[in-house]
Amino acid sequence: EVQLVESGGGLVKPGGSLRLSCAASGFTFSSYRMNWVRQAPGKGLEWVSSISGSSGYIYYADSVKGRFTISRDNAKSSLYLQMNSLRAEDTAVYYCARAAVTTGDGFDIWGQGTMVTVSS
Amino acid sequence: QSVLTQPPSASGTPGQRVTISCSGSGSNIGSNTVNWYQQLPGTGPKLLIYSNNQRPSGVPDRFSGSKSGTSASLAISGLQSEDEADYYCATWDDSLDAWVFGGGTKLTVL
Repeated sequence: EVQLVESGGGLVKPGGSLRLSCAASGFTFSSYRMNWVRQAPGKGLEWVSSISGSSGYIYYADSVKGRFTISRDNAKSSLYLQMNSLRAEDTAVYYCARAAVTTGDGFDIWGQGTMVTVSS
Repeated sequence: QSVLTQPPSASGTPGQRVTISCSGSGSNIGSNTVNWYQQLPGTGPKLLIYSNNQRPSGVPDRFSGSKSGTSASLAISGLQSEDEADYYCATWDDSLDAWVFGGGTKLTVL
């Protein structure tokens, strides 16, 4: 079964750091661009970051540039998001999502999400 | 303020046809294909339409998408109670080098 499972969320103080992980299974992980998308409580979807299969192409939303770092380990079929200098406005459910060429780079597989709360 | 503009809400009665609009600009919808996502209450998003008008396997043909210029639309025909959800459009923005989402439209089935 094709699956993405996020972990690493939790409560962190403003200015703190957190590392999210996303474990992939059921497909050839290295062949897919991967993304992080977040959703603040009661709000809409916001794309955070994207990384190509070889890690050669990386993009960030302006709201997290310089604070967040996306990475992947294809040998472990895992995606990561290192989040530093966290702010209250980073509070959200964080989803990892697969982008497939066969679906026009649409995000065809999503994880269940992991909650990040930034509060003192 | 989202780069892509969607109406915050839409509604219809069972069996009706409803459309949800998504307005952008030349650097996003005008230059790239549009995807639509459905988010049922309490769940994660699901890809509903990709490349403007293509349905992933398993998505009923009641759902259709279109694009013209810098706008796109999602149409749902034969509305059912289980279609009650939030719907988001998304596309790549060449100026921002970023994926952009619409603010979302909450569909209510009356």
